[in-house]
Amino acid sequence: DGGITQSPKYLFRKEGQNVTLSCEQNLNHDAMYWYRQDPGQGLRLIYYSQIVNDFQKGDIAEGYSVSREKKESFPLTVTSAQKNPTAFYLCASSTSPEYQPQHFGDGTRLSIL
Amino acid sequence: LAKTTQPISMDSYEGQEVNITCSHNNIATNDYITWYQQFPSQGPRFIIQGYKTKVTNEVASLFIPADRKSSTLSLPRVSLSDTAVYYCLVGDSARGKLIFGQGTELSVKP
Repeated sequence: DGGITQSPKYLFRKEGQNVTLSCEQNLNHDAMYWYRQDPGQGLRLIYYSQIVNDFQKGDIAEGYSVSREKKESFPLTVTSAQKNPTAFYLCASSTSPEYQPQHFGDGTRLSIL
Repeated sequence: LAKTTQPISMDSYEGQEVNITCSHNNIATNDYITWYQQFPSQGPRFIIQGYKTKVTNEVASLFIPADRKSSTLSLPRVSLSDTAVYYCLVGDSARGKLIFGQGTELSVKP
């Protein structure tokens, strides 16, 4: 079945460490997205990519970095500069950025030790 | 950027029809309206999408008036498994991204 796979499901980070969250899709979608969700709140866009080797900052990009070297992969690195990284991270993809619904993975929950 | 406003929460009972209204006064000409459903600790799931008038699929209907400044998601005969958060979004095609609001937490009771 086609879909989006996020790993790991749970991740723990020590203070000062960088961690990378994986997102892989086999839907042949051009566009991919990373969102952050805090308890009781909606999703906020971190980064998005409309095509391979290109990406744009979303609303809360500070302290995060991404790469898009392959169409099917869009990893997110949470750097030590992100002072409040504890959250639920969601990856999504769509056929194109415009008008098309986004398909989501089941998320990675990041916690600070 | 288009912004949406929804009720924070709603209660219903099994078997009832539920209507969730979303306001989007600044919707752009090219924007579509999309609704998602999210269960705890899962990613949002696409429910329905429309541009104007009425759209219906196997799980819901979407009603959009002529001015497109609001939309209503209609869930027929809800069950306990419909308890979830429902998000209304409008497509920001100029920047290629969707904007999520806080959503509506629907609670279906027996």
